[in-house]
Amino acid sequence: SQKIEQNSEALNIQEGKTATLTCNYTNYSPAYLQWYRQDPGRGPVFLLLIRENEKEKRKERLKVTFDTTLKQSLFHITASQPADSATYLCALPMDSSYKLIFGSGTRLLVRP
Amino acid sequence: GAGVSQTPSNKVTEKGKYVELRCDPISGHTALYWYRQSLGQGPEFLIYFQGTGAADDSGLPNDRFFAVRPEGSVSTLKIQRTERGDSAVYLCASSTGVKSDTQYFGPGTRLTVL
Repeated sequence: SQKIEQNSEALNIQEGKTATLTCNYTNYSPAYLQWYRQDPGRGPVFLLLIRENEKEKRKERLKVTFDTTLKQSLFHITASQPADSATYLCALPMDSSYKLIFGSGTRLLVRP
Repeated sequence: GAGVSQTPSNKVTEKGKYVELRCDPISGHTALYWYRQSLGQGPEFLIYFQGTGAADDSGLPNDRFFAVRPEGSVSTLKIQRTERGDSAVYLCASSTGVKSDTQYFGPGTRLTVL
């Protein structure tokens, strides 16, 4: 079955630097991959979707890449701010269904 | 309009009791999902509704868990004979029903079974 791996250790960076988070999956390449942000006590909030035929997607300070050969997606936040501190979850569809499988998330801490 | 809402926000119950968790999706969203999230983990799929019917309930852990969506809007997740292992945050999400469409999550219900 499909498994997603995200770095369980928190990423601690200085304000203004670029944060890079990694999402690796093990089996088939999905038709798309999504990134969500989750704050404590809140539900996940959708950030970006990237499809299998797209190499890169950008939205303001966010950039996502998708490498189906490496079975990996990278999530970048440029010019990071303390308000970016949260847990970031990678998700992809199970098989070709509507169901999403989520990684365990990586916690990002941006120091002022 | 409003986002996805879930009630109660917190539920504490005793082992063996029955609980109901409610989800109010975004108006007009035909797809509704229930997930369960344990501490330090990502959400885990439980069940998916398209309209009134459960299109996929393969994530329900056992027959103590059941969910309904009788009018295609509000959904209730029901857990019978609760066990301590059921303690988690139960998240609801809704979407327009188009595959790959964004899922909008509610704040979750934190269930604690003593």
